[in-house]
Amino acid sequence: EVQLVQSGAEVKKPGESLRISCKGSGYSFTSYWISWVRQMPGKGLEWMGRIDPSDSYTNYSPSFQGHVTISADKSISTAYLQWSSLKASDTAMYYCARSSSTGSGWFDPWGQGTLVTVSS
Amino acid sequence: QSALTQPASVSGSPGQSITISCTGTSSDVGGYNYVSWYQQHPGKAPKLMIYDVSNRPSGVSNRFSGSKSGNTASLTISGLQAEDEADYYCSSYTSSSTPYVVFGGGTKLTVL
Repeated sequence: EVQLVQSGAEVKKPGESLRISCKGSGYSFTSYWISWVRQMPGKGLEWMGRIDPSDSYTNYSPSFQGHVTISADKSISTAYLQWSSLKASDTAMYYCARSSSTGSGWFDPWGQGTLVTVSS
Repeated sequence: QSALTQPASVSGSPGQSITISCTGTSSDVGGYNYVSWYQQHPGKAPKLMIYDVSNRPSGVSNRFSGSKSGNTASLTISGLQAEDEADYYCSSYTSSSTPYVVFGGGTKLTVL
């Protein structure tokens, strides 16, 4: 079974750093991209960026460029999303999703989500 | 404001058919056959229902179908069931530099 398993919920203070993870299994991790998608409370889906685990090439949505970093460790089939200085506005559910390496844009499957709460 | 435009809500009775539209531009929906649709139940992760405009992943009911005309894609659900009540999002590949995928704002489907 192809699946992505994300790390657990986090509660952080503004200014703190954070890295959340997404572990793939059941498929060749380097044959597909991994994207990260944000969903703020009660809102829609926003694509943040993606990584090609085979060579760690990344690209980001302009809305998130410079605010987050996406990385991957192909030896353990895991992708990461990290922040160096969290803001209250980063409070959201974050999903990772596998996408086609041909770039057609579909996402399947999705991880279960990681809820990040940033509050003083 | 989302890059793709969807109606905020649609509704239908059990057994009926409904259609959700997704309008973009020639740089995304109209320019490529790379439209996908996702179903999201409350508190759950999204699930791929349609990819590449009209293809269903294995395991997705054939009551779900997709199509496209010009800059507008559509998701049709026939034989509505209570379990279909959820939020639905469209997405499309875009050639407008990054992001490489844009989402619609989502449509809340209510089964009356």
